[in-house]
Amino acid sequence: AQSVTQLDSQVPVFEEAPVELRCNYSSSVSVYLFWYVQYPNQGLQLLLKYLSGSTLVKGINGFEAEFNKSQTSFHLRKPSVHISDTAEYFCAGVKAGGTSYGKLTFGQGTILTVHP
Amino acid sequence: ETGVTQSPTHLIKTRGQQVTLRCSSQSGHNTVSWYQQALGQGPQFIFQYYREEENGRGNFPPRFSGLQFPNYSSELNVNALELDDSALYLCASSLGTAANYGYTFGSGTRLTVV
Repeated sequence: AQSVTQLDSQVPVFEEAPVELRCNYSSSVSVYLFWYVQYPNQGLQLLLKYLSGSTLVKGINGFEAEFNKSQTSFHLRKPSVHISDTAEYFCAGVKAGGTSYGKLTFGQGTILTVHP
Repeated sequence: ETGVTQSPTHLIKTRGQQVTLRCSSQSGHNTVSWYQQALGQGPQFIFQYYREEENGRGNFPPRFSGLQFPNYSSELNVNALELDDSALYLCASSLGTAANYGYTFGSGTRLTVV
């Protein structure tokens, strides 16, 4: 069975500081991995995705993530955060190849709070 | 291009009632998935529809059912509502069932069961 674990439920950080949100996955098969952001009372917005190829993936709003197969991790990073980055972030995975049947497996979420 | 739109945005129902939530998929997308997001948790997969047929289902009871129409819009129906059904319901559309297409999410319907 596939699972996704976000290691931190809350991450407080000061504005302009770097941040890393951690995500580990467990799967017996290859997976595609995604990071989504959810602002209060809104749906999910895709930040970035890893399908194959380069393990460093760049996304929107200055975010990037690195796929590490040996450590089964897909951590999200941003070198300098803004107040507007305050939101909840979700890591998600789906079985690679074939049909997914839409079944994304999500982590529990990490609330990023950026303080002035 | 228009994104995924869901209606209504908020809904309050009484335990035991039935509810229908609606989703219009992004232009060109023929696949729709539904997720339930309880407060403080990540979304949980309910089911997926492709070409008007359900082709994948998560661990949800049969009182959760759906439809997909020829224009690829979709409905989620929940019968015999329970208090634990209170959640944000998210619809996601995709170009197809292949996993690498990715998913576009709507803003969700907030259902409160009292």
